[in-house]
Parts: sequence; C-alpha cells; structure tokens
Amino acid sequence: DAGVTQSPTHLIKTRGQHVTLRCSPISGHKSVSWYQQVLGQGPQFIFQYYEKEERGRGNFPDRFSARQFPNYSSELNVNALLLGDSALYLCASSSRAGGETQYFGPGTRLLVL
Amino acid sequence: QKEVEQNSGPLSVPEGAIASLNCTYSDRGSQSFFWYRQYSGKSPELIMSIYSNGDKEDGRFTAQLNKASQYVSLLIRDSQPSDSATYLCAVMDSSYKLIFGSGTRLLVRP
Repeated sequence: DAGVTQSPTHLIKTRGQHVTLRCSPISGHKSVSWYQQVLGQGPQFIFQYYEKEERGRGNFPDRFSARQFPNYSSELNVNALLLGDSALYLCASSSRAGGETQYFGPGTRLLVL
Repeated sequence: QKEVEQNSGPLSVPEGAIASLNCTYSDRGSQSFFWYRQYSGKSPELIMSIYSNGDKEDGRFTAQLNKASQYVSLLIRDSQPSDSATYLCAVMDSSYKLIFGSGTRLLVRP
C-alpha cells in the first residue's frame, strides 16, 4: 500500500510569491495534518483537517491556509512568502482526528529567496 | 504554552550499548505519546506509540511512560550505527494536536 505522498519534493520561490503544497493520505485515512519544520527544530503544527473540516489550527499567520478535498487529499497554501517560511513542510495522515497515530509523508522542502 | 522538552545531544554511545532518550511534557491532559526517528534530510518515521503508564516493548525498543511525573523515555538496546539519527518525542494534546520536542541527536560509534 502506498504511504503518504506529497508534491512537489522541492520548491524555490522568491519573497512575496504564493505557494501551494499537496498531500495525499494513506488509503482509508480521513485526517490530514500539516507541520512546518525549520532546521534544528521539531515539527510545528499548522493545521488539521478531518472529513473536509478544519479541526485545529496552530499559531501561524493568516497567510497560511489549507483545505481538504472529498477524496481526503489536501492542499496547504502560503501567500506573501517571507524568507522565514523556508522550511520542510510535512503532511501527516491518520485514520481519524482524535488520538490516532500520525504517519508522515516525505515532505516538501521550500526555499524562499 | 504547551511544551515538550528534550536534551538536544548529541548522545554518543558505543555499538551494542543501551541508548536512553528522555522527554518531559507540560500538558497534564495529554493521553497519547509517540517517538519518531528522523534521519538527516528525511521525514519523521514512527518508532512507537504509548498510551498508558509503564513500559511497552517492540523489538530493541522500549518506551516508558510516567504520567504523574510527565515523563516519557525511549530505550534502544544493542544500539547499531544505523540507529544514528534524531529522535523526536511527540505528545498529543487535549485538542489532538501533536506537539514535538526539538529532538535528541543520537550517535552510535562503531
């Protein structure tokens, strides 16, 4: 069975641009969470979606938004990119929203110049 | 501010030794606890989950949880050079968000 997939794997953008990152969860999983990991730190929670509804939001500005589609895949959008948005963006999949083990995809490495 | 604390390391152990990794957390309402391994440039990979006080063993790995002390640990027996990685402790808070520590870097010397 395929694991969590993310696209693209790498991305280079300039300040002020917009980016869309995509994630497909493990088959049968209905919840997707997004995390940002900067070098030397643990992942930081951005959003969780379950059954197409937002179930949680971390301490990130409104430039960050996300959505989940009927097939449970998800997009993370970041507007007006800043240099500090350079990070590894991780998508995690779980069968339900509450208390379940989350399995991570390979991540998208974003570099903002 | 909910926090998960880990010693950043590096923790250096010889091959074959036991590596002991520790983690403390601040949210007493937390019910689910996880250890992930992350190789350089890769994404976190689940090692173990633990939900109740005591020990949970899986192969060479043992997770220990003490909710009264708000303490989670991971023991790696017979450490191998391939175990060299960053180990992330993650705690699921009462709103089901995973809160991660900054990770402990483990080096296993051949």
